[in-house]
Amino acid sequence: SQTIHQWPATLVQPVGSPLSLECTVEGTSNPNLYWYRQAAGRGLQLLFYSIGIGQISSEVPQNLSASRPQDRQFILSSKKLLLSDSGFYLCAWSVFVRQGDYTFGSGTRLTVV
Amino acid sequence: QKEVEQNSGPLSVPEGAIASLNCTYSDRVSQSFFWYRQYSGKSPELIMSIYSNGDKEDGRFTAQLNKASQYVSLLIRDSQPSDSATYLCAVTGFQKLVFGTGTRLLVSP
Repeated sequence: SQTIHQWPATLVQPVGSPLSLECTVEGTSNPNLYWYRQAAGRGLQLLFYSIGIGQISSEVPQNLSASRPQDRQFILSSKKLLLSDSGFYLCAWSVFVRQGDYTFGSGTRLTVV
Repeated sequence: QKEVEQNSGPLSVPEGAIASLNCTYSDRVSQSFFWYRQYSGKSPELIMSIYSNGDKEDGRFTAQLNKASQYVSLLIRDSQPSDSATYLCAVTGFQKLVFGTGTRLLVSP
């Protein structure tokens, strides 16, 4: 069966520090991968999605970036965190791009102080 | 206009009642529609999908879709306190899923 792993679960980082969040999927090949952010009391905001290795689409211009170095690995990064980067970061995968049966990871709660 | 709109709630219902959650969307070419449940502090989980007009039932859950009115709803029969969560409506767009901000449901014993 397919599983998705996301870590760390919680993170407290000072403003201006770098960020690296990792997500891996097991049990499937060539998954579509997504990074979402959910700010407190707000909806899910799509940050990046990837339909294949090296193929990254950005939805929101910001100081975050994403990479997909391996088929089942998706990394979210920042060189310098801002206070506004605080939130609940969720990785998700799906089999087909045009279907919405996503499976989400357990999420990373990031607090920038 | 937001792509997917939901009333934020909270929607309060007594245990055993029917909870009705509503969602409207703006993109007429959307083909697939989903309901996710998110408990506080947890990640969303898919509970229902619907692709054609009409009703789709799964246990205590019924999803309803009206593409002409661009309207999707979720009915929860015999609501239980464990159903208390935020329910997210999601609609497929170009190569992505667009979520509403969610409706918070509170089921009181």
